[in-house]
Amino acid sequence: TAGITQAPTSQILAAGRSMTLRCTQDMRHNAMYWYRQDLGLGLRLIHYSNTAGTTGKGEVPDGYSVSRANTDDFPLTLASAVPSQTSVYFCASSESGGSHEQFFGPGTRLTVL
Amino acid sequence: GQNIDQPTEMTATEGAIVQINCTYQTSGFNGLFWYQQHAGEAPTFLSYNVLDGLEEKGRFSSFLSRSKGYSYLLLKELQMKDSASYLCAVMDSNYQLIWGAGTKLIIKP
Repeated sequence: TAGITQAPTSQILAAGRSMTLRCTQDMRHNAMYWYRQDLGLGLRLIHYSNTAGTTGKGEVPDGYSVSRANTDDFPLTLASAVPSQTSVYFCASSESGGSHEQFFGPGTRLTVL
Repeated sequence: GQNIDQPTEMTATEGAIVQINCTYQTSGFNGLFWYQQHAGEAPTFLSYNVLDGLEEKGRFSSFLSRSKGYSYLLLKELQMKDSASYLCAVMDSNYQLIWGAGTKLIIKP
């Protein structure tokens, strides 16, 4: 099984441009998450979704938006990228929003110039 | 504020035992997770503790003391493939994971 996939693997983006990072899971998990990981910092939650049709803001939501039209997909959009959004982005999923382990996708390395 | 502290880097010898500590201060507690992350890869789940005590899983064990806000991950019979970062994360009262910055473990032959 694929588990959780992300696309693209990496991207270089000009500041001011928009971009959507894709995330798809085939485990029928209810909850999905977007994190960013920066050197020297822990993973930081951007947005989450506890079930299809609902989303919530995490610790660092500014400049990002998400949607959850169905169970499998959870895209993350940067409307107008800035250099501080240069990071590695991980999508994750779990059975529910409670105390369940989260499964991570392979990540997207984004550089904003 | 919420805070997870763990050492930045540790070095150990192949075949030895290493203990990675994690202390936390969070708004509420709904369990503590340990993840392993090899360089350039995604984090993968190692353990989950919600009650005080030791959880053993093969060469890896994880301990929790809620009253002290403290956990450790114990790795026995170290192998070169154990070279990775180990991430401590606490689930807070909103069921969101608060992550430490990770401990980079270097294994020497």
